Amino acid sequence: GESVGLHLPTLSVQEGDNSIINCAYSNSASDYFIWYKQESGKGPQFIIDIRSNMDKRQGQRVTVLLNKTVKHLSLQIAATQPGDSAVYFCAEMGSNYQLIWGAGTKLIIKP
Amino acid sequence: DSGVTQTPKHLITATGQRVTLRCSPRSGDLSVYWYQQSLDQGLQFLIQYYNGEERAKGNILERFSAQQFPDLHSELNLSSLELGDSALYFCASSKQGANEKLFFGSGTQLSVL
Repeated sequence: GESVGLHLPTLSVQEGDNSIINCAYSNSASDYFIWYKQESGKGPQFIIDIRSNMDKRQGQRVTVLLNKTVKHLSLQIAATQPGDSAVYFCAEMGSNYQLIWGAGTKLIIKP
Repeated sequence: DSGVTQTPKHLITATGQRVTLRCSPRSGDLSVYWYQQSLDQGLQFLIQYYNGEERAKGNILERFSAQQFPDLHSELNLSSLELGDSALYFCASSKQGANEKLFFGSGTQLSVL
């Protein structure tokens, strides 16, 4: 079946360093992937998305990389700030056009 | 602020009871999605409506039902509540209903005692 998995449940990063959050997916036919950020007490918030015809997409301080060969997705956050502390979810567009969500990675920023 | 409004923010009730969660989507969005988030399950898709019609169903229990009204607000009804139904329930909305960028509300925290 389809599934989206995250490599690490918790990631601790020094403030100012770059963060890399990884995600594996299982459906090679998926053509849309998306990252959400969920801060404590809030709903998930869209960060960035990417379609399968792209390998890389950049936003403000964030970059998403897609490696279709190994079915791997990553979110890179440059110059991590305290406000980046949150749980990050990757999601994959499944065969029924519904999003399949990963379990989430908690990003902790060390001062 | 995402523009999606959910009420109430918190709900405490007892097993066997019935509750209704309400969601108002962003202005102009036609589709509403309901999600359940519990500690050990992550985000679980329940159901989606588009312009008043049910579009997709996820892992929604038969004890749960939802509807989207002509003014596009939506309600999620949870009945015969069990302890395991305690969770955060999110509503999200999008313009076209193709699971493009979703805008989430702040959620309703349901506690079943």
